[in-house]
Amino acid sequence: DGGITQSPKYLFRKEGQNVTLSCEQNLNHDAMYWYRQDPGQGLRLIYYSQIVNDFQKGDIAEGYSVSREKKESFPLTVTSAQKNPTAFYLCASSPTLGGYNEQFFGPGTRLTVL
Amino acid sequence: QKEVEQNSGPLSVPEGAIASLNCTYSDRGSQSFFWYRQYSGKSPELIMSIYSNGDKEDGRFTAQLNKASQYVSLLIRDSQPSDSATYLCAFLMDSNYQLIWGAGTKLIIKP
Repeated sequence: DGGITQSPKYLFRKEGQNVTLSCEQNLNHDAMYWYRQDPGQGLRLIYYSQIVNDFQKGDIAEGYSVSREKKESFPLTVTSAQKNPTAFYLCASSPTLGGYNEQFFGPGTRLTVL
Repeated sequence: QKEVEQNSGPLSVPEGAIASLNCTYSDRGSQSFFWYRQYSGKSPELIMSIYSNGDKEDGRFTAQLNKASQYVSLLIRDSQPSDSATYLCAFLMDSNYQLIWGAGTKLIIKP
């Protein structure tokens, strides 16, 4: 079955630690995205990537970093510079960027700072 | 300023009735609009996409788009308890291909 996987499902971080969230897709999609969702708010874009070895900042990129070394993979690192990282993190992909392309989501990672 | 406005709800609808969810958006140039359903603790799943003015039907779901009024709606006919979820509206910014999301409307279908 084609789809998007994210791991881990739950992640706990201590103050000052960097953590990396995994996102893998086997849909052969070119574009991938990372969103953050806080209670009662809409999704906010952290980073997105249109092709391998290229990515762009979204609205809330500060304190986060990404890489896109393979088409299937788009890991997100939450650095110690992110002051309020507790949130639900969602990875998505679409065939290409923009146009009439629909985005499909992985199951999400819930990050909690201890 | 880019934004999407949705009534946060909760919207309570009896089982079997029509649920009507509404959304307004700020970008007059946008061409692509989406409705996603999100169950508590889960990720969003795509329900409908609509790109031109008028209605688009898919089973019990109908999306309606009015670009002149910058308004998009979702109708759910014969509502079922399994439709209880938060419904997120989103539109695509043509300038940078980013999806702009509303905060969602919580829908409760009462048996």
